[in-house]
Amino acid sequence: NAGVTQTPKFQVLKTGQSMTLQCAQDMNHNSMYWYRQDPGMGLRLIYYSASEGTTDKGEVPNGYNVSRLNKREFSLRLESAAPSQTSVYFCASMNRVGGTDTQYFGPGTRLTVL
Amino acid sequence: EDQVTQSPEALRLQEGESSSLNCSYTVSGLRGLFWYRQDPGKGPEFLFTLYSAGEEKEKERLKATLTKKESFLHITAPKPEDSATYLCAVQDRYNFNKFYFGSGTKLNVKP
Repeated sequence: NAGVTQTPKFQVLKTGQSMTLQCAQDMNHNSMYWYRQDPGMGLRLIYYSASEGTTDKGEVPNGYNVSRLNKREFSLRLESAAPSQTSVYFCASMNRVGGTDTQYFGPGTRLTVL
Repeated sequence: EDQVTQSPEALRLQEGESSSLNCSYTVSGLRGLFWYRQDPGKGPEFLFTLYSAGEEKEKERLKATLTKKESFLHITAPKPEDSATYLCAVQDRYNFNKFYFGSGTKLNVKP
């Protein structure tokens, strides 16, 4: 199993450009998440998808859109990038076994907006 | 406002010197308390989930405990390879898909 994969690993954008961050998991998990991580701050939830076909806002959704393409894939789109969106973005998935939740993270995408 | 605070921000230990990391939280409702390890340039790696006060879980040199207002990650006789940033997160009791993360404790274990 590859676990959670993300593409690209690095990206530099100019203000106003758009891009889509891709995420896929091969563990058959229902729930998937997008977080951003900034220096000195904890991971903050942008959007999540509790199951295929559903998406919901997290703590910091402004400036982002998401698509749960199928059970495996959950993408994050920046329509018009801003310097404040410079961050490291992590995708995660979660499963529940016997009442215990376990969350798995991808390797991250390092985004710089100039 | 839901808040998760980790202390200390950074901790330097000698190899073999045991210590504890703290994660305190003020949230409206907790379902679970998660601990992760994060190496530089990588995604967080899941360690433990705790659900009730008094619960303990162990993995190698790490032991996590939970009380009503905080959690501790005890590191016994650490080795240099335990050097990493340790993150805790609270899972919302009313929405299992919402997590609130602390900013982490950066642990450096010197040989």
